[in-house]
Amino acid sequence: SQQGEEDPQALSIQEGENATMNCSYKTSINNLQWYRQNSGRGLVHLILIRSNEREKHSGRLRVTLDTSKKSSSLLITASRAADTASYFCATLVSGSRLTFGEGTQLTVNP
Amino acid sequence: DSGVTQTPKHLITATGQRVTLRCSPRSGDLSVYWYQQSLDQGLQFLIQYYNGEERAKGNILERFSAQQFPDLHSELNLSSLELGDSALYFCASSAGTSGRASGELFFGEGSRLTVL
Repeated sequence: SQQGEEDPQALSIQEGENATMNCSYKTSINNLQWYRQNSGRGLVHLILIRSNEREKHSGRLRVTLDTSKKSSSLLITASRAADTASYFCATLVSGSRLTFGEGTQLTVNP
Repeated sequence: DSGVTQTPKHLITATGQRVTLRCSPRSGDLSVYWYQQSLDQGLQFLIQYYNGEERAKGNILERFSAQQFPDLHSELNLSSLELGDSALYFCASSAGTSGRASGELFFGEGSRLTVL
């Protein structure tokens, strides 16, 4: 079974709007990472947040982590059509493997 | 460009056959990870190698095997292929001196396997 579960499974917004994706996980983690995947392409790392951090920013990306609720959110501000992709959260389990959620398919309409 | 190279990009074969997927990690990365991505199973961790040795094992079938060579490239061997093995197979590499994943993974573009 997957460690992380993203919500929603699919999200469709207009260019310029903000997109928020959520991730819940089951066990204690060392860190949580977000990746992006364009259709049929390799995954690209976006941002990493450690278990002792609560919020992190990178450009238009903002990630929060609530370890008490075992959840994280990814906010993309001022979205662009080029942000259309699948977004995955991944949690570090047992120190040697990264376990991915099912992903959120984001569509940004021009 | 992540620096991770996977070949072949596409592969079509028949049930019962055997294929080998190849991965060259980023220069200097000692860890190689293999993942399988299919529509119904999502992204599944298969196996990790660190500096030539198996470090972690995930949902890898007995029909599948992998190895990492002295030059650090890795191969994933899939045998007795079934229709359900059709998927994207990704290789990823990471830096780190202990083989314990802690930071980001760098993914290749994947090998798309179609079993007919």
